[in-house]
Amino acid sequence: DAGVIQSPRHEVTEMGQEVTLRCKPISGHDYLFWYRQTMMRGLELLIYFNNNVPIDDSGMPEDRFSAKMPNASFSTLKIQPSEPRDSAVYFCASSLQAGPYNEQFFGPGTRLTVL
Amino acid sequence: GENVEQHPSTLSVQEGDSAVIKCTYSDSASNYFPWYKQELGKGPQLIIDIRSNVGEKKDQRIAVTLNKTAKHFSLHITETQPEDSAVYFCAADTGRRALTFGSGTRLQVQP
Repeated sequence: DAGVIQSPRHEVTEMGQEVTLRCKPISGHDYLFWYRQTMMRGLELLIYFNNNVPIDDSGMPEDRFSAKMPNASFSTLKIQPSEPRDSAVYFCASSLQAGPYNEQFFGPGTRLTVL
Repeated sequence: GENVEQHPSTLSVQEGDSAVIKCTYSDSASNYFPWYKQELGKGPQLIIDIRSNVGEKKDQRIAVTLNKTAKHFSLHITETQPEDSAVYFCAADTGRRALTFGSGTRLQVQP
């Protein structure tokens, strides 16, 4: 398996523009997580899905952020409109429900810069 | 909710020495404690984990200990090598499938 795939790897945009980040989880995994990493706040959980259904979106910072998972192999995180303070590295991770513990596998991340 | 504290924030050791990173957690319901290593420009990678029903686990030069009474767990790296240089994160899971991460420790191994 290729692991968790994220695209794009780097995104530079201007304030006010819409940004869409994409994630393909490991095949067969039924949990998908979106994290944001900054120097100031570390790794923050934004939202996670189980079997394509959002379970907890309490980490989503504002209504400008939205996430979808239309099928088991694809998820998007959208920011509209983007602001400079959204600049961060966004990670997607996936895990398998079978078994009691939560081994999460991370993608390489998308580095977002909002000018 | 769960809160995970991690110390130190930076750690510099000489090659061959040992390194210890410590974490504490707040939620007594937490039952899974993974450690992740993040190299520059990459996503965090799981290196070792421990479940609440064991006190210690070892994998070659890496070991993790857990004290549930005191609610703290530690990562021990022996015979450190330059390739161990990275940022290390501890995390805790209360069983809800959502990990809470510590703030990270930047380990620098000096050759």
